Amino acid sequence: DGGITQSPKYLFRKEGQNVTLSCEQNLNHDAMYWYRQDPGQGLRLIYYSQIVNDFQKGDIAEGYSVSREKKESFPLTVTSAQKNPTAFYLCASSIAGGGTEAFFGQGTRLTVV
Amino acid sequence: KQEVTQIPAALSVPEGENLVLNCSFTDSAIYNLQWFRQDPGKGLTSLLLIQSSQREQTSGRLNASLDKSSGRSTLYIAASQPGDSATYLCAVQDAYNQGGKLIFGQGTELSVKP
Repeated sequence: DGGITQSPKYLFRKEGQNVTLSCEQNLNHDAMYWYRQDPGQGLRLIYYSQIVNDFQKGDIAEGYSVSREKKESFPLTVTSAQKNPTAFYLCASSIAGGGTEAFFGQGTRLTVV
Repeated sequence: KQEVTQIPAALSVPEGENLVLNCSFTDSAIYNLQWFRQDPGKGLTSLLLIQSSQREQTSGRLNASLDKSSGRSTLYIAASQPGDSATYLCAVQDAYNQGGKLIFGQGTELSVKP
């Protein structure tokens, strides 16, 4: 059953903590993406990767970091430098970059406590 | 800078009605346009992908059209059902970005009443 798996579904972070959101895909896609969704603001791109061991900043990369050591995995770390991390985080993948269909995971809701 | 707008923001219709959701974008230099469905608290489900060279795509009761020159797309839902209630998002991949970045509209929240 091919798809994109995000974990955990819910995550709580204390002030000053780093937390890591997991994203795994078994679609054999080269490109992977992280988006953030806030009420009234739509989805915004945080980071993307078109190939293993390479990634680029999106529109709102400050306070976040990523790695792409394996084709199927693209974890996102929300660092303590991200001042407003409470949001819904969505991971996506596509066969290649521009011009191909994107598929999304079920999301992780991060809340600062 | 590419901007995507969806109108209306919310729509409520009785079951069985045919309806149209609208999406507009400011720059016609796009690779494709994709329509998604999002249920509350869930991820996005891809409904239809229209490449820039295509005029429309159909899947079951859904039909999406694309007029690139005027910067418009519509999603037509035939014979609506309560199960169609969700937020519908459109997104474009613009041709200036090789990475496949999607630019999203704010969505239309659809409610179909039994």
